[in-house]
Amino acid sequence: DTAVSQTPKYLVTQMGNDKSIKCEQNLGHDTMYWYKQDSKKFLKIMFSYNNKELIINETVPNRFSPKSPDKAHLNLHINSLELGDSAVYFCASSPRDGSSGANVLTFGAGSRLTVL
Amino acid sequence: GQNIDQPTEMTATEGAIVQINCTYQTSGFNGLFWYQQHAGEAPTFLSYNVLDGLEEKGRFSSFLSRSKGYSYLLLKELQMKDSASYLCAVLDSNYQLIWGAGTKLIIKP
Repeated sequence: DTAVSQTPKYLVTQMGNDKSIKCEQNLGHDTMYWYKQDSKKFLKIMFSYNNKELIINETVPNRFSPKSPDKAHLNLHINSLELGDSAVYFCASSPRDGSSGANVLTFGAGSRLTVL
Repeated sequence: GQNIDQPTEMTATEGAIVQINCTYQTSGFNGLFWYQQHAGEAPTFLSYNVLDGLEEKGRFSSFLSRSKGYSYLLLKELQMKDSASYLCAVLDSNYQLIWGAGTKLIIKP
């Protein structure tokens, strides 16, 4: 029943490790996103994919690499983790690519990453 | 630069009314969203305004004035479960969502 599901919910790891977060949506939406929410609670867009194609790639380190095998999945792989990567990462989806107004986002429950 | 301002925290009493303000300065405007986020959970959609005026949805209403770069979310008959953060987000001219930091609303009995 879960509309946007992401795993794992919690991730604790050491600096320098590589980790992945998976995301799947069963809403039939065309567009998927990765957001980072830091300790100050700002939501920052990282990536946006429309039908498996990258349409937004904000200024994030190239240690972060999204992969979209199909339009229902958008995974996030992070290499060489750093302390500053600690945050909550939210996956989201929307019906369209945002070039129309009322494009409501449905978020996953979030993945809390802690880098030690 | 682009900027969304909201109060950091507000406190209100159960059963009362509270108004959460949001002012924005963005490059263009294609609509304003309000989302609710309970602690440790995902943001969920509350409302969308693109024209000036008030949109009412049950206990929640959202107002927009484009000329003033201003919106508010009005919550009536407050319940304890309304304790959450309320996020204001504006869609700019490039259809990019610009998010505020959110207002943490604390409801007291």
